[in-house]
Amino acid sequence: KAGVTQTPRYLIKTRGQQVTLSCSPISGHRSVSWYQQTPGQGLQFLFEYFSETQRNKGNFPGRFSGRQFSNSRSEMNVSTLELGDSALYLCASSLGLSGAYEETQYFGPGTRLLVL
Amino acid sequence: GENVEQHPSTLSVQEGDSAVIKCTYSDSASNYFPWYKQELGKRPQLIIDIRSNVGEKKDQRIAVTLNKTAKHFSLHITETQPEDSAVYFCAACSGYALNFGKGTSLLVTP
Repeated sequence: KAGVTQTPRYLIKTRGQQVTLSCSPISGHRSVSWYQQTPGQGLQFLFEYFSETQRNKGNFPGRFSGRQFSNSRSEMNVSTLELGDSALYLCASSLGLSGAYEETQYFGPGTRLLVL
Repeated sequence: GENVEQHPSTLSVQEGDSAVIKCTYSDSASNYFPWYKQELGKRPQLIIDIRSNVGEKKDQRIAVTLNKTAKHFSLHITETQPEDSAVYFCAACSGYALNFGKGTSLLVTP
């Protein structure tokens, strides 16, 4: 099976712009989670989607949003970009059997976003 | 929300020695504790995990222990090799979210 894929891999934006990142989970996986990784804060949970519904959201401002499509692909959007949004954005997918979350999460390669 | 503390932030050992990384969590409802290894420029990869109904789990040179009463869990790597050099993250699962520690940079010197 193909692994989790993310597009684009690299992105440069300027302050005030918005950005959309895409994540395609492993075939058959129904749960997709997003994380922000920075050197100072490590891996921080953004939100999780299962069957097109957001089940949980981390402590990030409303500028960060996401959605999931019927084929389990997910997108996250960041509006009004700030310098501090520069980070590696990782998504991870898991089977989501019976709605469970305590399963192995498989990470994508990430999208590296640089905000100038 | 869940808060996961991880120590140490950096760890240097000689090849063949053991390495221990410790994490504590705050939410007593957390029930799943995975450990991820991230090599430079690569994605995090699961190396071992443990569920709250188990006290210890081993996989070759890697073991994880969990003390639910004290709310801490640890990763033990024996007979370390240079290829074990990476950043290791612990995490605790609470309410459809994985909360990660800030990571331990492990360096294994030959």
